[in-house]
Amino acid sequence: EVQLVQSGAEVKKPGATVKISCKVSGYTFTDYYMHWVQQAPGKGLEWMGLVDPEDGETIYAEKFQGRVTITADTSTDTAYMELSSLRSEDTAVYYCATGSLGGWFDPWGQGTLVTVSS
Amino acid sequence: EIVLTQSPGTLSLSPGERATLSCRASQSVSSSYLAWYQQKPGQAPRLLIYGASSRATGIPDRFSGSGSGTDFTLTISRLEPEDFAVYYCQQYGSSPAFGGGTKVEIK
Repeated sequence: EVQLVQSGAEVKKPGATVKISCKVSGYTFTDYYMHWVQQAPGKGLEWMGLVDPEDGETIYAEKFQGRVTITADTSTDTAYMELSSLRSEDTAVYYCATGSLGGWFDPWGQGTLVTVSS
Repeated sequence: EIVLTQSPGTLSLSPGERATLSCRASQSVSSSYLAWYQQKPGQAPRLLIYGASSRATGIPDRFSGSGSGTDFTLTISRLEPEDFAVYYCQQYGSSPAFGGGTKVEIK
């Protein structure tokens, strides 16, 4: 069974950095891209970026460029998303999602809530 | 950057009724790169349709997708109680993007 299991909820102060993990099981980690998606409370889905675990190459959405770093550790089949200079607007649930060979996102992790508050 | 606009924002229907959700793109999207997702409160999105019209594994055949170019549609032929949720379209080209979502609520 394919599973993406994310790390637990985080509470951070403004200006801090958060790093979320997404552990993969059930498929060969390096065969598929890993995407990250932000969902603010009561809002829609926003794509943040992706990593190719095969070679570590990344593509980031313009909105998050400069503040987000997505990495992949092939020794543990785990992807990471680090978001820096946190502000209250970054309070959201963050999802990892496997990018299929065709490009659609499936499956998704369970989500990680990040709360940014002083 | 391709912008996806979903309509209506909210659809109020009764179980057994037909739901028709629209997704319009700001520029042409290859049909191979259009997907639909369902999201229920407190849950992650779930893939329903990919390639504009192909159902994902385990998705009931009451869900169907159609369209091409800039206009795409998700149809739920007869709403079941578990279908009341938010639905998102997505284009997954070089810079993936989601529509704003359509909430299907019980009338």
